[in-house]
Amino acid sequence: SSELTQDPAVSVALGQTVRITCQGDSLRTYYASWYQQKPGQAPVLVIYGKNNRPSGIPDRFSGSSSGNTASLTITGAQAKDEADYYCNSRDSSGNHLVFGGGTKLTVL
Amino acid sequence: EVQLVESGGGLVQPGRSLRVSCTASGFTFGDYAMSWVRQAPGKGLEWVGFIRSKAFGGTTEYAASVKGRFTISRDDSKSIAYLQMNSLKTEDTAVYYCAYYDSRKDAFDFWGQGTMVTVSS
Repeated sequence: SSELTQDPAVSVALGQTVRITCQGDSLRTYYASWYQQKPGQAPVLVIYGKNNRPSGIPDRFSGSSSGNTASLTITGAQAKDEADYYCNSRDSSGNHLVFGGGTKLTVL
Repeated sequence: EVQLVESGGGLVQPGRSLRVSCTASGFTFGDYAMSWVRQAPGKGLEWVGFIRSKAFGGTTEYAASVKGRFTISRDDSKSIAYLQMNSLKTEDTAVYYCAYYDSRKDAFDFWGQGTMVTVSS
């Protein structure tokens, strides 16, 4: 079983704001990174660290963290944002990495 | 332009071995940890393991599910990372992605397109 827990599915109306969460004890110590994966494609890094976006990632994507929960927020969701989203962090030992189970985002 | 190209996937019988490769270009390969992540059909991402850069000892870490069966190595002169998979099981069937791990970001900065490994008799 994954040490990082995500809701399996979340939906959002077009243009609205959605938050995808990731829970785990290791998140009290380490930041999560977030990945977007569309069908048939490789994952793409969208958020890392406290709240950093790689070049080319729109600023409607943001990250935050509180206690054992990390969040990915999409402000003004677009149809193109429909995808699976995965969080990732170190495990409690700090030497291994772990992914959350993934959240399927549907944009209505 | 950063590129990671996996190769070597295919159909293999349970109990047999297979080696997949990841050829990198567009960045200083030797400066980064290289990781393997897999995704079983219709399932989520699973970290397999990584190899640190030589600057950090070139040591490896593995997920419990593959430890003792899988080995990650690297050839910095060729910018290639390898995943040697022994004693394969049907549950190892997955797309295997390589990704470079930026320790400054604590994130997988770039991913290859993956290679499919099917373990079946």
